[in-house]
Amino acid sequence: GAVVSQHPSWVICKSGTSVKIECRSLDFQATTMFWYRQFPKQSLMLMATSNEGSKATYEQGVEKDKFLINHASLTLSTLTVTSAHPEDSSFYICSASPMRGIGKRDTGELFFGEGSRLTVL
Amino acid sequence: KNQVEQSPQSLIILEGKNCTLQCNYTVSPFSNLRWYKQDTGRGPVSLTIMTFSENTKSNGRYTATLDADTKQSSLHITASQLSDSASYICVVKRGNNRLAFGKGNQVVVIP
Repeated sequence: GAVVSQHPSWVICKSGTSVKIECRSLDFQATTMFWYRQFPKQSLMLMATSNEGSKATYEQGVEKDKFLINHASLTLSTLTVTSAHPEDSSFYICSASPMRGIGKRDTGELFFGEGSRLTVL
Repeated sequence: KNQVEQSPQSLIILEGKNCTLQCNYTVSPFSNLRWYKQDTGRGPVSLTIMTFSENTKSNGRYTATLDADTKQSSLHITASQLSDSASYICVVKRGNNRLAFGKGNQVVVIP
């Protein structure tokens, strides 16, 4: 089955530093990837939609200068948490839908990465 | 108000027993409904995906039902195992491709 890989799976950093999280689709191409954050015992909250070759679309209330998203290729999207603060500590998850077929249509399936646990001291 | 409500929020069941999780939604227009299993500290894994015309779909010991008229879905776990301990998330896809997430049903299976 389709696999979405995230790296790193966990990271601890000092307040004020920047952290980059990678999301890769290992066996399919995805023009669109999604980034979520999840607090303990809460549902996933969509942060932004990452679009290959163009700017990301951010959800209301999500600072685009704080959470930089780059979708440089059809298999890789990165989320950079800039000047991280303790309140940014969370579980960050990405997802992607395979594009298949001659017309490269979205299959409708959605695969999630394993998540990245960020702890800011 | 959340457009996807799940109940119960959490439950504890004995190994080998069955349980049913509920998902009620108000999302419109409706495209499909998915159930995911999320182990602690891991990403969600798809269990079932159901469209408007599907009433029941099974995946091993997991059986999902959908009543699009009443906007209700259930996930039934048969003969629970310790490995079933997880959060089960109901996700409804709108016609505009946006997703609405429930907060999840936290299931704990005890021996």
